[in-house]
Amino acid sequence: EPEVTQTPSHQVTQMGQEVILRCVPISNHLYFYWYRQILGQKVEFLVSFYNNEISEKSEIFDDQFSVERPDGSNFTLKIRSTKLEDSAMYFCASSESGTGGGGTGELFFGEGSRLTVL
Amino acid sequence: AQKITQTQPGMFVQEKEAVTLDCTYDTSDPSYGLFWYKQPSSGEMIFLIYQGSYDQQNATEGRYSLNFQKARKSANLVISASQLGDSAMYFCAMRDDMDNYGQNFVFGPGTRLSVLP
Repeated sequence: EPEVTQTPSHQVTQMGQEVILRCVPISNHLYFYWYRQILGQKVEFLVSFYNNEISEKSEIFDDQFSVERPDGSNFTLKIRSTKLEDSAMYFCASSESGTGGGGTGELFFGEGSRLTVL
Repeated sequence: AQKITQTQPGMFVQEKEAVTLDCTYDTSDPSYGLFWYKQPSSGEMIFLIYQGSYDQQNATEGRYSLNFQKARKSANLVISASQLGDSAMYFCAMRDDMDNYGQNFVFGPGTRLSVLP
């Protein structure tokens, strides 16, 4: 069964360092997302990406964050200068289509990348 | 703006009993999708069940059913015959289908279900 893969599974970094989290969405999916979850709490939306551009972003997704789909398969989240409060589990997700595709359009999640900022 | 409310931070249920996890949502869009996800202690997000806003019948998937009351904007998850493995965090989510430039999924705060032996 196709799945969303994320690397690394865990990254420890010093405050102020840049971090890149990588994701490979399911190949025929059109919509890509990043979410974060702090200590098993609420799943917070960061950004959605469609047709090679950001379609929506939350207030959390400020100038220190950026996303890229550099080669048609990878979908990356970059955090330029990490802060202590960026420590969280970051989930990548993808979906095929919400309407017209005949399916449910549910989000398929990767297993997450746990970021620890020291 | 979309909003999902789950009023039960934690729930307990006896093994083999049924349990209902509440979810209410707020949207002005006529077309949307409602989802439930399970997150066990291992952390992965597992899709459970989907209900479309135009679906006439309540969705069912095995032991999971969704009690969809559109006028009340509620989409409660019913788990029948609870098992110890059902102990997990449960998230209700809504997808906005009206956005032609992508889609947005919004998650509720979650309900932690504990199944007691």
